[in-house]
Amino acid sequence: EAGVVQSPRYKIIEKKQPVAFWCNPISGHNTLYWYRQNLGQGPELLIRYENEEAVDDSQLPKDRFSAERLKGVDSTLKIQPAELGDSAVYLCAAVLYNEQFFGPGTRLTVL
Amino acid sequence: GNSVTQMEGPVTLSEEAFLTINCTYTATGYPSLFWYVQYPGEGLQLLLKATKADDKGSNKGFEATYRKETTSFHLEKGSVQVSDSAVYFCALSGYSSASKIIFGSGTRLSIRP
Repeated sequence: EAGVVQSPRYKIIEKKQPVAFWCNPISGHNTLYWYRQNLGQGPELLIRYENEEAVDDSQLPKDRFSAERLKGVDSTLKIQPAELGDSAVYLCAAVLYNEQFFGPGTRLTVL
Repeated sequence: GNSVTQMEGPVTLSEEAFLTINCTYTATGYPSLFWYVQYPGEGLQLLLKATKADDKGSNKGFEATYRKETTSFHLEKGSVQVSDSAVYFCALSGYSSASKIIFGSGTRLSIRP
């Protein structure tokens, strides 16, 4: 967890509203992941970045989800519009010394 | 495709009991195998890993051996403590932890004093 910062930690919104999550990974490390963890499940990959490039976004629901990683450091994941089924924890991970380190996640509740 | 199946929880044990959490996998090639732990209110942490057949990963008294013949990576600990209460995830990746990780559904462990 150390070194991967995510905000906000918690977010409650009504359905159809937009929401954004921010991740600041360990400085200088090129590979960044976004995962979604549904209640009672393991995390599932949404998107992988190598520097600024999304190299695997096959699991990202592109009709409502988008992500960016400008300058290859911070990353933002956006949902617009949110649906009830998007309630989950959104995790960011960065690679350091060939190991993934996870942030604490953002818990999203869609009402 | 690759997948991980792990023992369903919750698992409740008394302190100092022996712990086993079963995990089996399906994968092509030679995946790396991991156990992650998620303590209440905290993020995922790597507990241990093994990168090739017959390797044993160990950390904090936990152990798991990469068994290619049975496609298993069971987590064990000889004497659990209350502080071990957490959710444990078995996982695999195609090459290393830097690669995409596929997680099992998690096993919640509760230890009674």
